[in-house]
Amino acid sequence: NAGVMQNPRHLVRRRGQEARLRCSPMKGHSHVYWYRQLPEEGLKFMVYLQKENIIDESGMPKERFSAEFPKEGPSILRIQQVVRGDSAAYFCASSPQTGPNTEAFFGQGTRLTVV
Amino acid sequence: DQQVKQNSPSLSVQEGRISILNCDYTNSMFDYFLWYKKYPAEGPTFLISISSIKDKNEDGRFTVFLNKSAKHLSLHIVPSQPGDSAVYFCAAPAGGTSYGKLTFGQGTILTVHP
Repeated sequence: NAGVMQNPRHLVRRRGQEARLRCSPMKGHSHVYWYRQLPEEGLKFMVYLQKENIIDESGMPKERFSAEFPKEGPSILRIQQVVRGDSAAYFCASSPQTGPNTEAFFGQGTRLTVV
Repeated sequence: DQQVKQNSPSLSVQEGRISILNCDYTNSMFDYFLWYKKYPAEGPTFLISISSIKDKNEDGRFTVFLNKSAKHLSLHIVPSQPGDSAVYFCAAPAGGTSYGKLTFGQGTILTVHP
């Protein structure tokens, strides 16, 4: 049973370009969470999605960032017109359900560098 | 507003000794806490958790203690091993029924010397 798969592992973009980060949850998991880790900081929640629905996007920046989790295929975190401050590690996690004793499993992350 | 705080950025311990990592929280609504371990260039891995109805949970070399009145929890690793060297994060579900929406502390870098 493969774990949470994120790709690419490393992504370099020039300022103003678009970045697309992909996350395939573990088999049987229908809940996906995206986190961002800036240098020297802990992980910060960005968005929580279930298939075809955004459940909680309270941690998403108001502009340039969007996320989706289509019926088929991976979840996508899209950052438009990237700026240097977007450079960070982006982690995806998945869980089979919500509620007590339901830990989320994390992928290895995508390290975005904006030059 | 940092609701989960790990005030020690780093900790250095000799192999075989006890490692104690501390975490404080401010939100009295938190009722479940998790510890994650993270190696460089990898994602966090779940280590151990504790519900607020307990004050201790043990799993092998790892024990988590919760002091609700002080809003403080700690992770004890005994005995510490060089392979335990990693960044340790404490986290709490941010509310509701979603246990994947977590508030993380800043992390503590543990180094275990042989």
